[in-house]
Amino acid sequence: EIVMTQSPATLSVSPGERATLSCRASQSVSSNLAWYQQKPGQAPRLLIYDASTRATGIPARFSGSGSGTEFTLTISSLQSEDFAVYYCQQYNNWPLYTFGQGTKLEIK
Amino acid sequence: EVQVVESGGGLVQPGGSLRLSCAASGFTFSVFWMSWVRQAPGKGLEWVANIKEDGSEKYYVDSVKGRFTISRDNAKKSLYLQMNSLRAEDTAVYYCARVEGYCSSTNCYKYFDYWGQGTLVTVSS
Repeated sequence: EIVMTQSPATLSVSPGERATLSCRASQSVSSNLAWYQQKPGQAPRLLIYDASTRATGIPARFSGSGSGTEFTLTISSLQSEDFAVYYCQQYNNWPLYTFGQGTKLEIK
Repeated sequence: EVQVVESGGGLVQPGGSLRLSCAASGFTFSVFWMSWVRQAPGKGLEWVANIKEDGSEKYYVDSVKGRFTISRDNAKKSLYLQMNSLRAEDTAVYYCARVEGYCSSTNCYKYFDYWGQGTLVTVSS
């Protein structure tokens, strides 16, 4: 099983600042990585797939990078609606998907 | 507009059974793999099961193998999850998700592009 580890567990950032979230895979997943955003009481929403491709309707302030075992989600200028929990997920080891444990992005 | 709507959750005793349903609309259901993903209270996401477009292939996380069965009815645009021998650790919100991506000759690379709002399953005496 591929283990996905996200850091930090909680990130405190002020609105308007940049947020950088990390995700590490226990073995290479190539670029087969997605990022999801989840707000309280809501379903997850796809943000990024193939490590760096924004999903339909996702603002340009969200960007993804990385390949192999190290990945980053960057939010360039935080808006109030961006404070949420973010999950990474590998889909290289089809069909055995695994998610990271999540990073909570909170207002500083 | 793509929509998937889950139903069928509720309170069930340990060892009991429950059948979840997911109604799809706004897309051609029969050409997409579909999945169930769950989230225990206050916890992260866990993939549960996948089913191929025509139902000919099904995959499960080890913890539910032999107890859960995923199925679909393309004529009704519906996905199902039959859950038997339920345990306390199965307590979670269960999400239905559409699977997007592609398959090569040797592997598939697919992620979840649309999710329902979820249905809560509570296993408790």
